[in-house]
Formats: sequence, structure tokens, C-alpha cells
Amino acid sequence: GQQLNQSPQSMFIQEGEDVSMNCTSSSIFNTWLWYKQDPGEGPVLLIALYKAGELTSNGRLTAQFGITRKDSFLNISASIPSDVGIYFCAGQTGANSKLTFGKGITLSVRP
Amino acid sequence: DTEVTQTPKHLVMGMTNKKSLKCEQHMGHRAMYWYKQKAKKPPELMFVYSYEKLSINESVPSRFSPECPNSSLLNLHLHALQPEDSALYLCASSLTGGYGANVLTFGAGSRLTVL
Repeated sequence: GQQLNQSPQSMFIQEGEDVSMNCTSSSIFNTWLWYKQDPGEGPVLLIALYKAGELTSNGRLTAQFGITRKDSFLNISASIPSDVGIYFCAGQTGANSKLTFGKGITLSVRP
Repeated sequence: DTEVTQTPKHLVMGMTNKKSLKCEQHMGHRAMYWYKQKAKKPPELMFVYSYEKLSINESVPSRFSPECPNSSLLNLHLHALQPEDSALYLCASSLTGGYGANVLTFGAGSRLTVL
């Protein structure tokens, strides 16, 4: 089945720094989604991407749908303590296909 | 209303108990999902209901029994669970059909501990 690769498993940054994380696959995806999960909560959708090359922002977050349709990137600028959490990428090969999740990246922000 | 509400938030049960997890949404979504999530792992799909009919069962053991009484409610009935079933159970919903239909809205989850 399709797999999404996210690495490293954990990232540690200083407050105020920018951070970039990516998600790659050997398969083509038609939709890329980025979710964030806080401890004890469910995942919350950050950004949804539907077209190759698309660049979308949501406040300090920017995500891009890779041109090859096999990867996506999420950038967080000027990190703050509440950015702490697990960031999952997710993708779909079609509008009604099962959502495939990456393993997630745990982000820690040092004050 | 843009929320998916799950109850209870925490549940502790013995291996011989019968309990249920409940999920409710009032966003007009016609697809509802149950996911299981272990610590530091991604959510794993268990069941999908589309227009109140079970459309996907990801080979889940029969000790988990889903029910969708109407388009706003989703239950997960639990019976004779094992300690390894302890996990966060997430409910989600989405619009059905068409482009972007599977963007999921998740609830906060029910943390289940099986003793």
C-alpha cells in the first residue's frame, strides 16, 4: 500500500526560529493534508493542498504540494511555544480513497 | 457548529465489561469514521460509515462493533476487549462525494484503558 515518509521523528528548535518538515512518497498523491495534534486531543487540519505546485499559507504556516506529486513541505515561521505538538502529513490518491498518514514529527520549542 | 464531540473522554474497563463510545457532529457531514491511535503513532482507520451505511471495515476484530443510528451519531460498542486494545479512539467526520470530500474533522478522542 501507499506509505508516507516523515523524518526525523523529533525536532527541537528555539523559540523564534523557522522550521521546515517534509513528507515524501514513492506513489503519486492527488491531495496532501497537514494535521497537528496536541497532547490529549485529536488531529486538527492545518492546511489542505489539491494541486501540484500549490503553495498555501495559514498564518505563520506555509505548505507546498510538490511538483512531482510525491512530496509536500510544511514551513513554520517564527515558532512559538504553542507550536509544540505532533505534525502529521496525510495524503490521498483520489477524492474517495482512504487517507494515508505519515508517522508524524514531534516538534519541541525551547523558550 | 464545527465540532465533533466524543464521550466519554476517558474510559477504564475490565476485559469482561461491555461499554460504548459515542460521537456526535452537527456539520451536516455524511461520512463518519472510527480511528484507533496508539501513543506517538498515526491514527489507524477502523470503520467508515457513509450515509449511515458501513462502507469500510478494516478487518477489525468483532469485539469492536460500530453503529450509526443517524447521520449525526456514531457509536462504538466494546465487549471482551484485551489490554492491547488500550488506545485513543478518535471519531472523525467529512463531507461525502466530490473533490476534497475526505478532509476529516476529528474529535478530541476517548482514551480507553483495558485492565
